[in-house]
Amino acid sequence: EVQLVESGGGLVQPGRSLRLSCGASGFIFDDYAMHWVRQAAGKGLEWVSGISWNSGSIGYADSVKGRFTISRDNAKNSLYLQMNSLRLEDTALYYCVKASNQLLYGWFDPWGQGTLVTVSS
Amino acid sequence: QSALTQPASVSGSPGQSITISCTGTSSDVGSYNLVSWYQQHPGKAPKLMIYEGSKRPSGVSNRFSGSKSGNTASLTISGLQAEDEADYYCCSFAGTSTFYVFGTGTKVTVL
Repeated sequence: EVQLVESGGGLVQPGRSLRLSCGASGFIFDDYAMHWVRQAAGKGLEWVSGISWNSGSIGYADSVKGRFTISRDNAKNSLYLQMNSLRLEDTALYYCVKASNQLLYGWFDPWGQGTLVTVSS
Repeated sequence: QSALTQPASVSGSPGQSITISCTGTSSDVGSYNLVSWYQQHPGKAPKLMIYEGSKRPSGVSNRFSGSKSGNTASLTISGLQAEDEADYYCCSFAGTSTFYVFGTGTKVTVL
C-alpha cells in the first residue's frame, strides 16, 4: 500500500522559513515524479510544485516561484519543500502527492493526509 | 493562469445522474488529454476518480465517467448515492510553464 506521510508544518511568522518533508513507502520512489499541492481552509486546491523522478525537471506555481524550493532524496524515499519568505497567503494544508509517472505531466494519485502551515504574526 | 471554471454546487436525488462541467481554455483543457477529477470528503485528502479525461482507476465505481469536448471537460455520476456527497475538483495539465491548474470545485449534494 502506498503511504505518504507529511511533516514539518506549524505556526510561523511572516517572512520566516519552514521546511516540509514527506516520507514515502509502498512503491519504488525513484520511479515517480512527486508534487506538493495546497489547500487553504475552506478553499480549493492549488498546485504548488513538482519534481521529476531524477530531479531533472522542476516546476513551481507563480505564487511561490523564487521563494519555495522542492527537492527529493531518492535514497531516503523523501520529498521536501523549503519555504522561505513566507506570507500570510501561504497558510494552507500542504499535501504530498505521488505523480502518475516519472515526469511532470500526468495526474495525482495518491495524496498524503497533509501538514498544516499557518503563517501569522 | 486562472482556475478552471466549475459550478459551485450540483444536487440530485438518489439514483439520479448529475454532470459537473469544467471549463478551461485552449492552453489547458483544450490542449492536453490530461484532465483528472478528484473527490474530497470533508476533512479528508482528495481521491483520484478519473484520469486522462475518461479513464477510471482500479477500485473506482463505474458510476463515475468522464468526457471532454473542446475546452470543457465533464464528470458524470450516475445512480447517485449518499456516499457521493462531497466536493469534486477537476485538474488539467497546462504546459511546462504553468504546469497544473485546478478547477474552482463543485459541492455535490444528495437530496
